[in-house]
Amino acid sequence: GAGVSQSPSNKVTEKGKDVELRCDPISGHTALYWYRQRLGQGLEFLIYFQGNSAPDKSGLPSDRFSAERTGESVSTLTIQRTQQEDSAVYLCASSLARSYEQYFGPGTRLTVT
Amino acid sequence: AQSVAQPEDQVNVAEGNPLTVKCTYSVSGNPYLFWYVQYPNRGLQFLLKYITGDNLVKGSYGFEAEFNKSQTSFHLKKPSALVSDSALYFCAVRDGLTGGGNKLTFGTGTQLKVEL
Repeated sequence: GAGVSQSPSNKVTEKGKDVELRCDPISGHTALYWYRQRLGQGLEFLIYFQGNSAPDKSGLPSDRFSAERTGESVSTLTIQRTQQEDSAVYLCASSLARSYEQYFGPGTRLTVT
Repeated sequence: AQSVAQPEDQVNVAEGNPLTVKCTYSVSGNPYLFWYVQYPNRGLQFLLKYITGDNLVKGSYGFEAEFNKSQTSFHLKKPSALVSDSALYFCAVRDGLTGGGNKLTFGTGTQLKVEL
């Protein structure tokens, strides 16, 4: 079956512009996660959605970052007024509600110039 | 707070030799431990996990990991390395006590290089 998909695969934007990153989870996966991976570093948790529960936003680095999810489907991560330090690969993962295994998408490489 | 340490940025091993990639963790409750692998320009792939039970966990591609509670370690191992194993390996932990869903804390990764 289809895995987690993300779009775009690459995004170059100018400092100060807003960007939207999209994630399509595996069908039936109720949990969805966003992570950020800076060059040479590990993954940094951003936000977690589980069904209709309030999302866990504890990892969002600033109020310029926000994310939405419609039901148990697509999620978008929005970064407003991008800064150069936002340059990273943004990874999305999904899992079944009671599964410990997260399945990752290929990521979106964001470059802020 | 939970944390993971991967003390080696890079591990070099000859093909056919055994390999070990080290990982230590810190959590308040029972640890749920994971290993993921990342090939160039690709997303992370799940290798194996420890939740409970046997301390030796077997996973994909011939990899295994040993949970050691007293040393708070979860080292990744393979008896005979292949060149195709060359990739970036991440250890991750989730605290079994928290109500934060499956939020994982990742280590900084270890680059494994297997040479002929």
